[in-house]
Amino acid sequence: QVQLQESGPGLVKPSQTLSLTCTVSGGSISSGGYYWNWIRQHPGKGLEWIGYVFYSGSTYYNPSLRSRVTISLDTSKNQFSLNLSSVTAADTAVYYCARAERMDVWGQGTTVTVSS
Amino acid sequence: DIQMTQSPSSLSASVGDRVTITCRASQGIRNDLGWYQQKPGKAPKRLIYAASSLQSGVPSRFSGSGSGTEFTLTISSLQPEDFATYYCLQHNSYPPTFGPGTKVDIK
Repeated sequence: QVQLQESGPGLVKPSQTLSLTCTVSGGSISSGGYYWNWIRQHPGKGLEWIGYVFYSGSTYYNPSLRSRVTISLDTSKNQFSLNLSSVTAADTAVYYCARAERMDVWGQGTTVTVSS
Repeated sequence: DIQMTQSPSSLSASVGDRVTITCRASQGIRNDLGWYQQKPGKAPKRLIYAASSLQSGVPSRFSGSGSGTEFTLTISSLQPEDFATYYCLQHNSYPPTFGPGTKVDIK
């Protein structure tokens, strides 16, 4: 049973880079042909897809965030990561990682607050 | 981007009620749609994939239907643990987009 777990700082200062990691257990991140996604949810709001990294390492980002987002794979650690640069208070959200185009398996989420 | 709308945005229902939620896409998405249930403080949980296929382990009172631009999620007999917010997700074209959600609460 594949499981995903997000980790990273819960507090980030404005203008800095938000960095999160998703650790995958119960399966290899580099097999199966899966897309590995990041999604966020602003407080009390709906869900916004941020981007994915394919098992091959190729990426695709939401155009609304493309200029600030980098998603990468670390196959040696069975992890993938999100970097979001130049953050503002508007990036305060719960961040989730999820597997596949169909987003069948999700992590539990991690709350990130942007504040000085 | 494909815009997803849901109706109603919220509803009040009683245990045992039949509940139907509708999701509409701004353009055709074949059956590339999933339904998710989210409870407060928890991650979304997938209930339905490919518009009408029941996720393993999900009770059979949940069902999905539709294709193209209009989809429905039906709960045949609402149970206490079903009070939650429900989202649809289209993954037919990038970026994937979610509906705004339907909150189901107790009447």
